[in-house]
Amino acid sequence: GAVVSQHPSRVICKSGTSVKIECRSLDFQATTMFWYRQFPKKSLMLMATSNEGSKATYEQGVEKDKFLINHASLTLSTLTVTSAHPEDSSFYICSARRGRSSYNEQFFGPGTRLTVL
Amino acid sequence: TQLLEQSPQFLSIQEGENLTVYCNSSSVFSSLQWYRQEPGEGPVLLVTVVTGGEVKKLKRLTFQFGDARKDSSLHITAAQPGDTGLYLCAGGRNAGNMLTFGGGTRLMVKP
Repeated sequence: GAVVSQHPSRVICKSGTSVKIECRSLDFQATTMFWYRQFPKKSLMLMATSNEGSKATYEQGVEKDKFLINHASLTLSTLTVTSAHPEDSSFYICSARRGRSSYNEQFFGPGTRLTVL
Repeated sequence: TQLLEQSPQFLSIQEGENLTVYCNSSSVFSSLQWYRQEPGEGPVLLVTVVTGGEVKKLKRLTFQFGDARKDSSLHITAAQPGDTGLYLCAGGRNAGNMLTFGGGTRLMVKP
């Protein structure tokens, strides 16, 4: 299989604090990982693409200084929401691309529900 | 900007009915994936189609990729309450790693 985990599954924090979300590929090496944000009853919105050992590529409108992404190894990527505000409350989902498949298949983590008070 | 349009956006049916979800684009994709997502969870990959005209079956689910690789459909036969969820199509292109997601179809199957 291709299992991706996320931690934590839920987090509640105070406004102004930072929150780190981890994404791990458990049984495969992920050359590329992706971070998405999902609003209630909506589809996925790509925030950034990260490749191991290089800087993340952010989508238009996503603040790279606010959403820090580190892809330190082939099995771990982290998203840090800095100085969180209530409008950052959302469902954040990571995915990982296995190997160099030309089929662009992505395997998703279970998501992290962030609530900023 | 490539765009994938899914229809219908919402669908509420009775158990046992059949349904079809459509995913359309003006762009050609090298591959197309269908995912199913339940509330509070991440999307789960159902199938990948890569060849124009390809048809794949997964129990009561039938997936088809259009001949021109611009559109796809998902047909569910004899829907069950367990089929309830958000269905997402996503297209990939050879030029990059990214997937373009459709807007999703929210399906509710009532017992």
